[in-house]
Amino acid sequence: GNSVTQMEGPVTLSEEAFLTINCTYTATGYPSLFWYVQYPGEGLQLLLKATKADDKGSNKGFEATYRKETTSFHLEKGSVQVSDSAVYFCALQFYTGRRALTFGSGTRLQVQP
Amino acid sequence: DTAVSQTPKYLVTQMGNDKSIKCEQNLGHDTMYWYKQDSKKFLKIMFSYNNKELIINETVPNRFSPKSPDKAHLNLHINSLELGDSAVYFCASSQRPPGLATGELFFGEGSRLTVL
Repeated sequence: GNSVTQMEGPVTLSEEAFLTINCTYTATGYPSLFWYVQYPGEGLQLLLKATKADDKGSNKGFEATYRKETTSFHLEKGSVQVSDSAVYFCALQFYTGRRALTFGSGTRLQVQP
Repeated sequence: DTAVSQTPKYLVTQMGNDKSIKCEQNLGHDTMYWYKQDSKKFLKIMFSYNNKELIINETVPNRFSPKSPDKAHLNLHINSLELGDSAVYFCASSQRPPGLATGELFFGEGSRLTVL
């Protein structure tokens, strides 16, 4: 079946540090890939997405590139802020068939001042 | 005005009880979902309804029964609660169903259920 694997957290960084959160997927075919973010006490919200190989999704300084050859969609940000502290979820979905978004287990990011 | 709202936000109850969680969305979306988030933050799809029709029903005990009176509401009723049901339950909606959707889900804030 389809699955998403994320690096375990928590990831603890100082403000302005470079962030990478790894995400790899297993799927038959080529799904669309997503990053969702969950701030404390809130529901998840879409951060960025990519729908085909080599696409780069970007939003709020975060970027992720859809790498078909490595089945990866790593999340990066050049300079994190305290306000980026949250749980980040990688997810995949196919645009055919009735399968809901499949999420990874989430990676908690803690940014210290 | 909250787009996807769930009630209650917190629920503490005894094993064996029956409880319900309600969800409403005011986005005009056709599709709604229930996800369960366990203590390790892992999110798993439980059910999805499209315009009041059940379209996704994952391997969930039949103690869990979703009900969608209209496309703006999706409620979750749980019978005979067990310790393992303790989790955060998230309601979500999307404009169109899986297979046609863009993948953007709008989530509620979650309902934390604690079974003692």
